Amino acid sequence: DAGVIQSPRHEVTEMGQEVTLRCKPISGHDYLFWYRQTMMRGLELLIYFNNNVPIDDSGMPEDRFSAKMPNASFSTLKIQPSEPRDSAVYFCASSLLGDTDTQYFGPGTRLTVL
Amino acid sequence: TQLLEQSPQFLSIQEGENLTVYCNSSSVFSSLQWYRQEPGEGPVLLVTVVTGGEVKKLKRLTFQFGDARKDSSLHITAAQPGDTGLYLCAGARSQGAQKLVFGQGTRLTINP
Repeated sequence: DAGVIQSPRHEVTEMGQEVTLRCKPISGHDYLFWYRQTMMRGLELLIYFNNNVPIDDSGMPEDRFSAKMPNASFSTLKIQPSEPRDSAVYFCASSLLGDTDTQYFGPGTRLTVL
Repeated sequence: TQLLEQSPQFLSIQEGENLTVYCNSSSVFSSLQWYRQEPGEGPVLLVTVVTGGEVKKLKRLTFQFGDARKDSSLHITAAQPGDTGLYLCAGARSQGAQKLVFGQGTRLTINP
């Protein structure tokens, strides 16, 4: 299996622009997670889905952030409008119920908002 | 509020030395995991511990879950440059829970 795929790997944008991050989970996995990692705050869970349904979005920082999972093989995290404090590495992870809570992480998208 | 505190935050030692990193909390966790993350990559799971007092070994790495399931440690024997990376602990609050709480991480550097 190719593992969790994220695109783009790097994104540089200007403040106020819309940013869309993409994720393809491992085939057959029924959970999908979006995390954000910064030096100051470490790895934070933003939102997670089960069978394409959002279960817990309490980590989403504010209304500028939104996430969708239109089908089992694709999810997006959108930031509109973006701000410099959104600069971070965003990870997508997927897992399979019953697999002792193992989460498989993608390589991440490094976002820089100027 | 950081539910999982890792220490030390940074550690730089010479090849061949032993080291221990810690993951502590005032909360009880159903299970605790350790991940290693290398630059430019996502975290990769090393081990999951689920029973209080449990000890698991992975080659030169020894993981222990505290008796009260509030803390864990990772001990590396005869560290090698390939052990360099960010070590993260993560806890699940209830059995089967998919939501994990991550510690801030310990950034480990092994110098040749």
